[in-house]
Amino acid sequence: AQTVTQSQPEMSVQEAETVTLSCTYDTSENNYYLFWYKQPPSRQMILVIRQEAYKQQNATENRFSVNFQKAAKSFSLKISDSQLGDTAMYFCAFMKVSGYALNFGKGTSLLVTP
Amino acid sequence: DSGVTQTPKHLITATGQRVTLRCSPRSGDLSVYWYQQSLDQGLQFLIQYYNGEERAKGNILERFSAQQFPDLHSELNLSSLELGDSALYFCASARSAGEWETQYFGPGTRLLVL
Repeated sequence: AQTVTQSQPEMSVQEAETVTLSCTYDTSENNYYLFWYKQPPSRQMILVIRQEAYKQQNATENRFSVNFQKAAKSFSLKISDSQLGDTAMYFCAFMKVSGYALNFGKGTSLLVTP
Repeated sequence: DSGVTQTPKHLITATGQRVTLRCSPRSGDLSVYWYQQSLDQGLQFLIQYYNGEERAKGNILERFSAQQFPDLHSELNLSSLELGDSALYFCASARSAGEWETQYFGPGTRLLVL
């Protein structure tokens, strides 16, 4: 079974600064997919970014980018130019290529302060 | 707005009762997933349906069941409810099953069992 670990239960960052959220995972699979989802106070689950394990290039979506280290089984999320609207729970998730479900970490609560 | 709809938004019921949660996937999506989010268990995968057929099961209790109808909407039935079933239940949909895919989440149904 795959496990996803987010070691930072809570983090805070000032507006306009950069913050990095950590995620590690455990798997014996070679090909898989990783995701970051955001859950704001509205409780909606919103996809932030995704990464295919076979791609060496790190994914980027506007102010969001990942640092994917396959050998270390690490998948961190960097948020640049943090905005107040980035305040949310962030969940790291793993999906096997041939599987169907997302395995989620426990989440990191991010607070962006003025 | 992800395009996935869930009803009702909130549900309050008593122990021992039975409830039905409904999900309508995005237009064109054939896969529906159900997840449970609780304080102690985090986000857990319950069950997946693809084009009307059950495709995968996660940590779904025997008291819980689901189905997907010909119009692709899905229902999650929870029976003999216990206090511990209080949680946020998400439905997610995706375009296909078998290959990796992005899951789009509905707004969730918050269930409170008293």
